[in-house]
Amino acid sequence: DTGVSQDPRHKITKRGQNVTFRCDPISEHNRLYWYRQTLGQGPEFLTYFQNEAQLEKSRLLSDRFSAERPKGSFSTLEIQRTEQGDSAMYLCASSLTGSKIQYFGAGTRLSVL
Amino acid sequence: DQQVKQNSPSLSVQEGRISILNCDYTNSMFDYFLWYKKYPAEGPTFLISISSIKDKNEDGRFTVFLNKSAKHLSLHIVPSQPGDSAVYFCAASASQYGGSQGNLIFGKGTKLSVKP
Repeated sequence: DTGVSQDPRHKITKRGQNVTFRCDPISEHNRLYWYRQTLGQGPEFLTYFQNEAQLEKSRLLSDRFSAERPKGSFSTLEIQRTEQGDSAMYLCASSLTGSKIQYFGAGTRLSVL
Repeated sequence: DQQVKQNSPSLSVQEGRISILNCDYTNSMFDYFLWYKKYPAEGPTFLISISSIKDKNEDGRFTVFLNKSAKHLSLHIVPSQPGDSAVYFCAASASQYGGSQGNLIFGKGTKLSVKP
């Protein structure tokens, strides 16, 4: 399977704990995006990378959130001091530069108790 | 405020009939539009797209129509099949949008149910 891969698929954590998610994009894609989706809403943009450079961050991405793509391949999204409001599906997508079509992974569902 | 609106949360259609899903947008900077399909416990899957320089794009049973003056697009599925039952998201992108390089703005989705 050469699609976008996300790990873990599900994460349950207690409020105040830190969590980290991983995304492996389609291998030749140099753009990588993170989105968050809550119940009844469409995906909302969080941040994106062109290779290893983080080029844009949404105002949704509070100081507790940090994303990295150290070698321009996989990416991690860390949430520090989780809050119940962080409970959501975190989606990763990738694309080729110049293409507006983004391909999504299955997501990581986070539940903060 | 929502820049991409899907005003119908759900739609039920009989198998073999046409499904029409609608989407409205407010930002005239949007120049590319996409439809994604989402099954439960899966990520959104790209379905079809259209550039603002066109008014129609067709791919098999799926056709997207764009009316720029009305800031409206629609997805037609014909004939509809039970396997088409899913949530459909409309998304828009702008080449130059507050410095953005193409992040997608999504609507809230329409749940399509195709009954046998």
